[in-house]
Amino acid sequence: GQQVMQIPQYQHVQEGEDFTTYCNSSTTLSNIQWYKQRPGGHPVFLIQLVKSGEVKKQKRLTFQFGEAKKNSSLHITATQTTDVGTYFCARGGSQGNLIFGKGTKLSVKP
Amino acid sequence: DVKVTQSSRYLVKRTGEKVFLECVQDMDHENMFWYRQDPGLGLRLIYFSYDVKMKEKGDIPEGYSVSREKKERFSLILESASTNQTSMYLCASSLNQVAHEQYFGPGTRLTVT
Repeated sequence: GQQVMQIPQYQHVQEGEDFTTYCNSSTTLSNIQWYKQRPGGHPVFLIQLVKSGEVKKQKRLTFQFGEAKKNSSLHITATQTTDVGTYFCARGGSQGNLIFGKGTKLSVKP
Repeated sequence: DVKVTQSSRYLVKRTGEKVFLECVQDMDHENMFWYRQDPGLGLRLIYFSYDVKMKEKGDIPEGYSVSREKKERFSLILESASTNQTSMYLCASSLNQVAHEQYFGPGTRLTVT
């Protein structure tokens, strides 16, 4: 239905390695948002993607929205220990609510 | 900057107690939300409100109620706390039904013994 599936659930990387998390939907998305939650913290908005095939960059983070608007990805180049946390994607609901994926927990070994 | 505050960071209550969790936002946002977060289950929406005195059930409303008497304040009420309501509770707000970006409070970790 409206769920978004996020994979992987966990990812352990060596500092300097790249990291990617994927968000998939069975239905077309009007938009997709990404949030980051640091350990012990609360989710913080990173970005929203709206257009088919859209690619946005924030320093070492690259966000993509699929051509069919059914999937999205977040890629981090050369991870740092400051990237540790859980990354959530979220799709918009019909009343201004969000439907969150279960998140990908990233750990980075220095 | 938007600021969302929650009344307590940590709370310990006994089974059967009535529990109030308060959330206040200072940016005149129309929408407010209550989530609970549990390991492996992500963020689950309990209730949300898009206007004063309006409320909508989320995915897991059972055992909870809410109150929104003023635009800036959204309260979550556990009428009779149970141990399975031990969780992290997160409040969030967003500008309106079009702008979906949500701003979260710091969370309240509730333990029910």
